[in-house]
Amino acid sequence: QQPVQSPQAVILREGEDAVINCSSSKALYSVHWYRQKHGEAPVFLMILLKGGEQKGHDKISASFNEKKQQSSLYLTASQLSYSGTYFCGTRGGSNYKLTFGKGTLLTVNP
Amino acid sequence: DAGVIQSPRHEVTEMGQEVTLRCKPISGHDYLFWYRQTMMRGLELLIYFNNNVPIDDSGMPEDRFSAKMPNASFSTLKIQPSEPRDSAVYFCASTPQGRETQYFGPGTRLLVL
Repeated sequence: QQPVQSPQAVILREGEDAVINCSSSKALYSVHWYRQKHGEAPVFLMILLKGGEQKGHDKISASFNEKKQQSSLYLTASQLSYSGTYFCGTRGGSNYKLTFGKGTLLTVNP
Repeated sequence: DAGVIQSPRHEVTEMGQEVTLRCKPISGHDYLFWYRQTMMRGLELLIYFNNNVPIDDSGMPEDRFSAKMPNASFSTLKIQPSEPRDSAVYFCASTPQGRETQYFGPGTRLLVL
């Protein structure tokens, strides 16, 4: 079952913050976040492996609420380089199969 | 280190023709994944291998699609015969044993006329 991402698109000015949500109808083993720029391959951002885990990378961080079967990606003080489509990928068990959401298009303007 | 390598980068073919996409995973990676990306359906897993053995092919759309991994450094995805609805970007990704991070190749943009 494909996870649901929200919002579908967001437009920011440089320096503003954004939150992208990812919800699943199934229990999750892990949540992956990727960013894809137009015409390029998805690039790994981070993985959250345990319920309640939070991770941070520069000014991008994420949380994983296992009970609610959802994850959120937080982008603070956005930079122009943050523009792209953000995908969450969910893994439901020991199988290595990832199911990706449809993506959130983030545009950061000067 | 070289990343995942895919060829060709672009392919234009006519309906009914056979198409073969190629992938070389990162050396030492044990898992290899084939994805298809379209605007309508997003990024879909087609099949993945572990140590050259297909583990899950539930995403392969139909018998026209087949994938092989004859050795640890090479995999192919074949479409025969191709149809216009197969037009998409096909990505290959690899993962080392014990890790979950998937490293994507640059993709093959396929257009079937």
